[in-house]
Amino acid sequence: NAGVTQTPKFRVLKTGQSMTLLCAQDMNHEYMYWYRQDPGMGLRLIHYSVGEGTTAKGEVPDGYNVSRLKKQNFLLGLESAAPSQTSVYFCASRTSETNTGELFFGEGSRLTVL
Amino acid sequence: AQSVTQLDSQVPVFEEAPVELRCNYSSSVSVYLFWYVQYPNQGLQLLLKYLSGSTLVKGINGFEAEFNKSQTSFHLREPSVHISDTAEYFCAVSDLSWGKFQFGAGTQVVVTP
Repeated sequence: NAGVTQTPKFRVLKTGQSMTLLCAQDMNHEYMYWYRQDPGMGLRLIHYSVGEGTTAKGEVPDGYNVSRLKKQNFLLGLESAAPSQTSVYFCASRTSETNTGELFFGEGSRLTVL
Repeated sequence: AQSVTQLDSQVPVFEEAPVELRCNYSSSVSVYLFWYVQYPNQGLQLLLKYLSGSTLVKGINGFEAEFNKSQTSFHLREPSVHISDTAEYFCAVSDLSWGKFQFGAGTQVVVTP
């Protein structure tokens, strides 16, 4: 059972380049999230989705775009990468049933912007 | 809106010694509370959670946490740590609706022999 899978796991970009991170989950979860993790700052929410075709901004959305065309996939795009976007990105998903609440995380995607 | 404060950024501890990781939160509504663990170069895994009921919750690998509503705290304890417990630990809160999670900054636990 794969759970939450992120691709790619590592990427190096030059300033101004664009790229897309793919998150795929096989648990039929409604909710999906993109976080970035930076030292001493914990995880900060970039964008999230509460269902297919819906997206919303989180805590730090600037410079990122997302799409959720299929329930199992949540894409995070950087149109023009900046060094400040160097980070580890985590995708997570969860069921909509509020009596569980657990987030399931991917293994992370490490992005370096030069 | 919620916020989470983890009072210690790093906690060194000797093998087989006890450890407590402190977490305080603020929220204007009722919340669920979580502790996640992140081993090196991995994603986060759920350690334990408080949804309702008994304020003392037990998780994997002997960890436990106590919810204290009056002090708005959810401290994590392990009575005897192992080398393999070396990891970063995150406290998180989520509101009771659709579940927007707020994470603390993390506490790095380093266990030495």
